[in-house]
Order: sequence, then C-alpha cells, then structure tokens
Amino acid sequence: QVQLQESGPGLVKPSETLSLTCTVSGGSISNYYWSWIRQPPGKGLEWIGYMYYSGATNYNPSLKSRVTMSVDKSKNQFSLKLSSVTAADTAIYYCAREVLSGPNYDTRNYAFDFWGQGTMVTVSS
Amino acid sequence: QSALTQPASVSGSPGQSIAISCTGTSSDVGGYNYVSWYQQHPGKAPKLMIYEVSNRPSGVPDRFSGSKSGNTASLTISGLQAEDEADYYCSSYTSSTTLVVFGGGTKLTVL
Repeated sequence: QVQLQESGPGLVKPSETLSLTCTVSGGSISNYYWSWIRQPPGKGLEWIGYMYYSGATNYNPSLKSRVTMSVDKSKNQFSLKLSSVTAADTAIYYCAREVLSGPNYDTRNYAFDFWGQGTMVTVSS
Repeated sequence: QSALTQPASVSGSPGQSIAISCTGTSSDVGGYNYVSWYQQHPGKAPKLMIYEVSNRPSGVPDRFSGSKSGNTASLTISGLQAEDEADYYCSSYTSSTTLVVFGGGTKLTVL
C-alpha cells in the first residue's frame, strides 16, 4: 500500500520560504503525477501544483510566481517551496498521488487516490 | 470564492438517500468527465470516493454513486450511515490554466 508523509517546519516567518518534503513509501515515485494541495483552517481545498516524476511541473497560476517543485527519485521524495509567504499561506499542506487508469495505467484522471496525513504550516513572526 | 459551487450543508436520517450537487461551467464539469469527489472527516486527509464522474475506487461502498448532467455533477449517498457524516468536496479538471479546481465543500449531517 502506497503511503505518503509530509515533513517540514510547522512555523515560518512572513516573507520567508516555506519548504516541505513528501516521502513516498510502498511504491515507486516513477510514472506518476504528484501534487501539493493545501487547506486553510476551516476552509476548502486548493490545488497548488503537480510534478511528474520526470521533473515536469504545472503550477496554479495564483501561486505560480512563488512556487517551485522538485523531485528526488533516488530518495522517492518530492518537494515544495513557496516563497515570500504571508499569513494567507497558513494552511494544512497535503501531498497526493494522481490516479492513473486505462489498460496501461497511463491515462490521467486529475483525481487523487493517495494522500499524506497533512502537515500544518503557520506563517507568523 | 471556489470555482465549483456546492451547497454549504445537507442532512439526512439514517437509511435515507441524499445528493450533493457541484456546479461548474463548460470549461470544467460540463466539458470533461474528470469530476471527482472526496470525503473528509475532521482532522483527517481527504479520501477519494468517486473519480471520472462515476467510478468508485476499490473499497468504497456502492452506496456512493456519482453522476453528471450538463454543468452539474452530483454525489448520491444511499442508505445513509452515521459514519458518512463528514465534509464532501467535488473537484474537476479545468481547461483554464488552473488545471484542477475544487468546490467549497458540503457538510453532511446524519440526523
């Protein structure tokens, strides 16, 4: 069973960079699309962006200027960096795997079947 | 304001059926069969319940079903159980540069 685990600082100062890592266990990071999704306290979900195992990325335009995602296949990990954070970036951050279907399991569905437990990041001085 | 519109709350008694709607546009829900639904219990990560409008992942009870008509998708839960009380979110692929959009979420209360 695939498991995802987010890790990183729980407190970040305003204007600094938020850095999180997602470690994938029970399966390979290869051949899948991996996303970051966040949820402000008491609010809904927001897709931040995805990274393909090859390194290709696509970011939410609302965050694109501040987001960088990267992958480390040797460690089965992928990472998120969000720069110039403000209080509005306070949220639970989830990493998630995208569903692939079809006879070769290579058809994207833009749905997420495996999620990390989430990590709360607070932006405060 | 979320890209997809869901009712803030719905309720039902055990054994009853309820439906949660998710309204978008022809650029997302209406234009593609990439609608998914998630269940989220307090303090937990979302759980995928439906993908591609009506497909259930392995392990999801067949009490949960999905459908779509025009720009509105729906999640129907039949035979409501106490454990179904949770927040439910819809999501869709969008042809806009955002790629993936979510609804604002619906709180289901089992009376």
